[in-house]
Amino acid sequence: GQNIDQPTEMTATEGAIVQINCTYQTSGFNGLFWYQQHAGEAPTFLSYNVLDGLEEKGRFSSFLSRSKGYSYLLLKELQMKDSASYLCAVRSGNYQLIWGAGTKLIIKP
Amino acid sequence: DVKVTQSSRYLVKRTGEKVFLECVQDMDHENMFWYRQDPGLGLRLIYFSYDVKMKEKGDIPEGYSVSREKKERFSLILESASTNQTSMYLCASSFPPGGNQPQHFGDGTRLSIL
Repeated sequence: GQNIDQPTEMTATEGAIVQINCTYQTSGFNGLFWYQQHAGEAPTFLSYNVLDGLEEKGRFSSFLSRSKGYSYLLLKELQMKDSASYLCAVRSGNYQLIWGAGTKLIIKP
Repeated sequence: DVKVTQSSRYLVKRTGEKVFLECVQDMDHENMFWYRQDPGLGLRLIYFSYDVKMKEKGDIPEGYSVSREKKERFSLILESASTNQTSMYLCASSFPPGGNQPQHFGDGTRLSIL
């Protein structure tokens, strides 16, 4: 079957760095997406990886290793507004995304 | 900015009712999707459409149908609502897959079936 695993919940301190991991087993691979979802709001697109390596975008970076079926989202200089759920999704075919259950990130002052 | 608008943020219906959820996007996207989101589960795809009048079943289509008569509008229909369809429903749209074309989401409809 197809499966994406993420930790259910993580806690970090304001100003620190946190890494959210995502492992996947899918029948195909056409890219991996990270989304942020604040409570009660729509998911919003953060990053996309299709080749191995690190993609940096401001305070957020995303890494991909296709051979290991592994990605992580790195958040630096954490701010209270980063408290949200972070969703990992893999495009395994042409249209559909396979979604992880999401990681709830709690930021403490 | 892409705007995906869902007709209601909150909706309460009764068991057995026929329920319509509407979604409109303003970016001329070919693809549109309906998901449901439940605690502890990832987004689960109900139906998607890659063109007007075209539809494809997702992972959990049972009890649902869809309609796409115009490019900008994608409707989800609960034929006879049941309590296990109480959930958050999210609509999304995107350009055809290719490169980093993300899906853009509406704010969701929290549907309660009593």
